[in-house]
Amino acid sequence: AQSVSQHNHHVILSEAASLELGCNYSYGGTVNLFWYVQYPGQHLQLLLKYFSGDPLVKGIKGFEAEFIKSKFSFNLRKPSVQWSDTAEYFCAVNSGYSTLTFGKGTMLLVSP
Amino acid sequence: NAGVMQNPRHLVRRRGQEARLRCSPMKGHSHVYWYRQLPEEGLKFMVYLQKENIIDESGMPKERFSAEFPKEGPSILRIQQVVRGDSAAYFCASSPGQGLYEQYFGPGTRLTVT
Repeated sequence: AQSVSQHNHHVILSEAASLELGCNYSYGGTVNLFWYVQYPGQHLQLLLKYFSGDPLVKGIKGFEAEFIKSKFSFNLRKPSVQWSDTAEYFCAVNSGYSTLTFGKGTMLLVSP
Repeated sequence: NAGVMQNPRHLVRRRGQEARLRCSPMKGHSHVYWYRQLPEEGLKFMVYLQKENIIDESGMPKERFSAEFPKEGPSILRIQQVVRGDSAAYFCASSPGQGLYEQYFGPGTRLTVT
């Protein structure tokens, strides 16, 4: 069975700090990888996705993620966070079938 | 193009009552997924449906829970004889197909069992 592990449950940063959120998955086959974000009071939105090709994926709002197959990782990064990035971030994986397996989420708080 | 719609947004039920959660997928989407989010947990897959078919219900509790996606109308997640442990946020997502497609999520229904 697939599983997804997110390293940090809570992260607190000041504006302009750099962000890296860790995500590791356990599955030996081909996977599709996703990062979703949930802003306070809103529904889940897709930040970025990886299906194949260039392992460095660029998403919306300046986010990017790198797929490192040998490490089973898909870490999310942003060079300079803003107060508006305060949200909960979820890493998810599927194995070509459709259902998603989610990590427990990382709550990011950016202080102005 | 309207997104995924869920209603109600908040639902309060007493123990033993039935809860019905509705999900209307995005226009043109025929695949619907239900997920449950418990406090301090990520989203857990419950069931995957296409029109008139249950494709995968491996995440559904064996008793009291059922789901349908009729030919006409929204998908329904039904919980009979609710218990306090059913209190959670229930999210619906839809996609236009299986596999390499993004899932679009609705705003969720927050169920509280008193």
